[in-house]
Amino acid sequence: GAVVSQHPSRVICKSGTSVKIECRSLDFQATTMFWYRQFPKKSLMLMATSNEGSKATYEQGVEKDKFLINHASLTLSTLTVTSAHPEDSSFYICSATDTRGGVDTQYFGPGTRLTVL
Amino acid sequence: DQQVKQNSPSLSVQEGRISILNCDYTNSMFDYFLWYKKYPAEGPTFLISISSIKDKNEDGRFTVFLNKSAKHLSLHIVPSQPGDSAVYFCAASGAGNMLTFGGGTRLMVKP
Repeated sequence: GAVVSQHPSRVICKSGTSVKIECRSLDFQATTMFWYRQFPKKSLMLMATSNEGSKATYEQGVEKDKFLINHASLTLSTLTVTSAHPEDSSFYICSATDTRGGVDTQYFGPGTRLTVL
Repeated sequence: DQQVKQNSPSLSVQEGRISILNCDYTNSMFDYFLWYKKYPAEGPTFLISISSIKDKNEDGRFTVFLNKSAKHLSLHIVPSQPGDSAVYFCAASGAGNMLTFGGGTRLMVKP
């Protein structure tokens, strides 16, 4: 199946710094990517929909100035956590939509564990 | 190598009948398993979960079965309804709580 990668897989940063997480579709082009925040053991919260060539669509309650999303190419979306705080520590997962064959198929990345000290 | 696999990309079921979605995993360290339901253009929503200390968990029309020896879990929906038509993802979690997702199964419930 199609592969979606995330980089880095783990990152530790100091409070107040910014962290960039990359999401790449490796063997297909994705006009739409999604960014999620995973809470322990259960919930997967959709943060935003990343659209290639246009602004991201943020879900209610997600600060767009804090979580900057850039979908500059058909294979890459980036999530930048600006001025990170310890409460931003979480797993961040992306997914990409493969529209080949006329059927939308969602592929998830392996996730990025962010720890803010 | 995929650690969580959903070998059926799609499943078609008649309304009122049972839908059975299957998921296999390879990592014996996984101890918590979840099923998510996803509609187009939306994020996945949590459906039901099961801990590795159990072999069955039921919530209304949804039942998840876990066979640890076979490293296999399944989601049963009965009776199936047209509104159940969506993509279903299984996910597994181990130490560190990170989720690993399967590739999804598209369920179509026909009226």
